[in-house]
Amino acid sequence: NAGVTQTPKFRILKIGQSMTLQCTQDMNHNYMYWYRQDPGMGLKLIYYSVGAGITDKGEVPNGYNVSRSTTEDFPLRLELAAPSQTSVYFCASGPTYEQYFGPGTRLTVT
Amino acid sequence: KQEVTQIPAALSVPEGENLVLNCSFTDSAIYNLQWFRQDPGKGLTSLLLIQSSQREQTSGRLNASLDKSSGRSTLYIAASQPGDSATYLCAPYSGNTPLVFGKGTRLSVIA
Repeated sequence: NAGVTQTPKFRILKIGQSMTLQCTQDMNHNYMYWYRQDPGMGLKLIYYSVGAGITDKGEVPNGYNVSRSTTEDFPLRLELAAPSQTSVYFCASGPTYEQYFGPGTRLTVT
Repeated sequence: KQEVTQIPAALSVPEGENLVLNCSFTDSAIYNLQWFRQDPGKGLTSLLLIQSSQREQTSGRLNASLDKSSGRSTLYIAASQPGDSATYLCAPYSGNTPLVFGKGTRLSVIA
């Protein structure tokens, strides 16, 4: 199993651009999560999903959108990128509360 | 709202020392608590999961304890090695919301 894969690994965006961060898991997990991690600030939950077609907001959802059309994929969309969205983004999945993390996407908005 | 505090924020020890990392949480009504490890530039790896009915969980040189009533968990690392250098995070699970993570303890083990 590949586990949780994220693409791209790195990305630089200009202010106002949009992009989609991809996340795929091959463990047939129902639960999937998107976090951002800023230096010294810990992990903050952006959105999560408990199954295909079901998503819910986390602690910091503003400026992001998600969709969950399949069990395997949980893409995160950034619209109108802002410097405050510079961060490392982690996707995770799990059967319930246990979570398995992807390697992360480092995003810089300038 | 669950709040998680990890003390110390950073720790540097010589190789071979035994050490304790602390995690405290405000809502003691948890189902379980997980300890994770994060290497620089990497994602998180789950180390140990303690159910609320357990007091301890062990994996190799790692031992995690849970005192739900006082809102505390500790991660004990025996005979530390340079390869243990990483950031360690704890995350209690309350059942009605996803995991809440502490900010972590950054550990450096000096050879």
